[in-house]
Formats: sequence, structure tokens, C-alpha cells
Amino acid sequence: DQQVKQNSPSLSVQEGRISILNCDYTNSMFDYFLWYKKYPAEGPTFLISISSIKDKNEDGRFTVFLNKSAKHLSLHIVPSQPGDSAVYFCAARVSGYGGSQGNLIFGKGTKLSVKP
Amino acid sequence: DTGVSQDPRHKITKRGQNVTFRCDPISEHNRLYWYRQTLGQGPEFLTYFQNEAQLEKSRLLSDRFSAERPKGSFSTLEIQRTEQGDSAMYLCASNPGPNEKLFFGSGTQLSVL
Repeated sequence: DQQVKQNSPSLSVQEGRISILNCDYTNSMFDYFLWYKKYPAEGPTFLISISSIKDKNEDGRFTVFLNKSAKHLSLHIVPSQPGDSAVYFCAARVSGYGGSQGNLIFGKGTKLSVKP
Repeated sequence: DTGVSQDPRHKITKRGQNVTFRCDPISEHNRLYWYRQTLGQGPEFLTYFQNEAQLEKSRLLSDRFSAERPKGSFSTLEIQRTEQGDSAMYLCASNPGPNEKLFFGSGTQLSVL
């Protein structure tokens, strides 16, 4: 049973517009959420994270929103650039896991294509 | 470049053979993780080390899988008697400690024929 769900396998956006990637989760014990970006033939790279006690975190063009009551988070990229084209993974950590961010549960990913 | 290094990048083997992968983490990172990613899926946690101690193993890590980090630096992941279902990308990651983001290597793509 998938605890972290990314229901959109792909998303296409025009350059300069907003990209919104969505993620739903089922486990109320998650206390930390992360987004990773992955280019072909490379490992995932960390993008942005948010603690479960917050509802928003912003870093430059990237903002993550967390709605705990809906068990939903989203990643906003504004403005989108062609270099943002990659697969984006949502990941979550179960609380009480000794503080480690290593044992993460990942979604299946959403492939973002930003067209010039 | 002092990122996480994995070797080999690609491995093709016949069913039943043993394979071993190597991971060199970022030098000052004492935590090292192994993940597996199959097509269309996100990475799945396999195991992690703090220094040389293996602290957690997923139930995905069957008896045919063994990981070591003998001196707390590089790590190896061995798969014995490979099966076609073992075909996947094996990712290694490291971080300096708790609550620190993971740095992933580029992975080893295993194909079992």
C-alpha cells in the first residue's frame, strides 16, 4: 500500500508559468517532507523540505505547501524554466525514527516538462 | 568533485551469478544509505550505516543481499544468486548526520538476464 502518492505521472508547463506538483500521503506519523529532483542518469538531488509543524517553506523560485488536515503537499515552481525539466519525487519521514532523514518513503515521481 | 561515487555505473549479469557494487560517500559523512529504484517507482530504502554499524535493514533486503561498511568509509552491496527481479537501479546516499539532507550518487544500473 502506497503511503506517499504522486498521482500525476507527468506535467507539461510553458516557460515562465507556474508549475504545481502534488503529493498525497496516508501516514499521520510522517513528520518531515522533502522534494527531490532527478535528471536522467543522475541520482536524486535535494530541492526543498518542510517540517510537519509548518504549512509553508520557500526557497527562491520553489515553495512547498503542506495541508496536514488533507494530508496533501504541493511544490510550486515560479517561474518555471526549461532547466527545471526533470522527475520530481515527494518523500516523507516517519517521526521518531532517531532523527534520521535516511529512511525516507518516496512517491513514484512526476515528470515535469517545461517548454520554451 | 567530491560527491558520492558509485561503481560500476552499469552491470549486466546472468541469473544466478553474484554481483557486488561499491559506494564511496562524501568523505566527512558518517551515514551511508542504500536504496533501490525500479522503473516507474521512487527509490526504496534498503539499509543504512552509521560509521561501520549497520543500523537498519528493510524487509526488502532479502537473505541474498548483504551490505558492509568495514572501516566506516566506503560500502559494498552484494547480491548473491541474482534473480531477474533484482534488475533495478541501486542508489547510494550519504549525509553527515541526523536531520541532514541526503546526497545521492548516480547509481548502479543492474540488469539480470
